[in-house]
Amino acid sequence: DTGVSQDPRHKITKRGQNVTFRCDPISEHNRLYWYRQTLGQGPEFLTYFQNEAQLEKSRLLSDRFSAERPKGSFSTLEIQRTEQGDSAMYLCASSFTGVISGYTFGSGTRLTVV
Amino acid sequence: KNEVEQSPQNLTAQEGEFITINCSYSVGISALHWLQQHPGGGIVSLFMLSSGKKKHGRLIATINIQEKHSSLHITASHPRDSAVYICAVRSSNTGKLIFGQGTTLQVKP
Repeated sequence: DTGVSQDPRHKITKRGQNVTFRCDPISEHNRLYWYRQTLGQGPEFLTYFQNEAQLEKSRLLSDRFSAERPKGSFSTLEIQRTEQGDSAMYLCASSFTGVISGYTFGSGTRLTVV
Repeated sequence: KNEVEQSPQNLTAQEGEFITINCSYSVGISALHWLQQHPGGGIVSLFMLSSGKKKHGRLIATINIQEKHSSLHITASHPRDSAVYICAVRSSNTGKLIFGQGTTLQVKP
């Protein structure tokens, strides 16, 4: 297992375009989290899945954002009609429930909206 | 007031110095994480604590659950320790993390 993978690493898009990011968690992990980090700030929670169920969404996740984890494995985060304020690092992390297990982060997808 | 507060926000040290970064939180947690982030890089988990103290190489992390406070210490600091150090607390229900704003550390040779 190579850890948590995120694709792409970088994305530059024009305002108004749609973008989709992918996260492949550690295979044994049943929880998957999305966070967003803007420059100079700590990450902020966006949403999380337990298996395929999306259990919590932050108020930061506007109607333009949607996340899926259809088979309880990889997840996608889509942003529609991107705005300049969406420019940030989007981080994915995974963990396992039941015991206090470690958290593993992906390298992130850096989105720049021009 | 943020639920997780770190201090200092910025720290400059000379190589070899002993460094302490503090974290205070105001919510109930199941664990506290110390994370390291290099410029443009991903996040690496340094420690996960639910009580007491942990040590890994030159890094030591402590937590006082009653006082809702944790510290990260770096002994014999080195320029390669230069990074952003982030404290994050873990919700006992959902496992989601609430992050501090980070401490930017620069260690000069």
